[in-house]
Amino acid sequence: GQNIDQPTEMTATEGAIVQINCTYQTSGFNGLFWYQQHAGEAPTFLSYNVLDGLEEKGRFSSFLSRSKGYSYLLLKELQMKDSASYLCAVRDSNYQLIWGAGTKLIIKP
Amino acid sequence: TAGITQAPTSQILAAGRSMTLRCTQDMRHNAMYWYRQDLGLGLRLIHYSNTAGTTGKGEVPDGYSVSRANTDDFPLTLASAVPSQTSVYFCASSDSTGGYNEQFFGPGTRLTVL
Repeated sequence: GQNIDQPTEMTATEGAIVQINCTYQTSGFNGLFWYQQHAGEAPTFLSYNVLDGLEEKGRFSSFLSRSKGYSYLLLKELQMKDSASYLCAVRDSNYQLIWGAGTKLIIKP
Repeated sequence: TAGITQAPTSQILAAGRSMTLRCTQDMRHNAMYWYRQDLGLGLRLIHYSNTAGTTGKGEVPDGYSVSRANTDDFPLTLASAVPSQTSVYFCASSDSTGGYNEQFFGPGTRLTVL
């Protein structure tokens, strides 16, 4: 079967750095996405990785290791508005997205 | 630019009744998707359409049907609603299914089946 694992919830302090991990087992791999979802809202795109390594985009970075079936999202200089759920999704061999349940990130002042 | 719109925003439906959730995009995207999101579970694909005139079944298609008569619209129909279909439904679209093509999501429809 196909599986995406992420921690259910994480807590971090404003101004700090947090790393959200994602491990996956899927039938095929055609890229990995990270989305942000604020409570009661739609998911919005953050990042895309298809090759191994780090992709940096402002305060957010995403890392991929295809051999380990592993990715992480790194958020720096945390702000209160970063309180949200972060969803990891893998595009499988059928080019459909398989989604993790999401990690709820709580930012404390 | 509106992006993707969904209607209604929320709905309470009696079990056994039928309902169509509407989805319209103005980005001229080829691919469209319907997901449901339930607490503690990831987004699950119900149906998809890679291009106008074609549709396919996702992970959880039972009890749902879709059509794609044109590029912009992708309605989802529940023929006879059951309480297990209580969920938040998201419509999404992407320019294509591969490459660096993110999916854009509509605001969602919160459906309660009693």
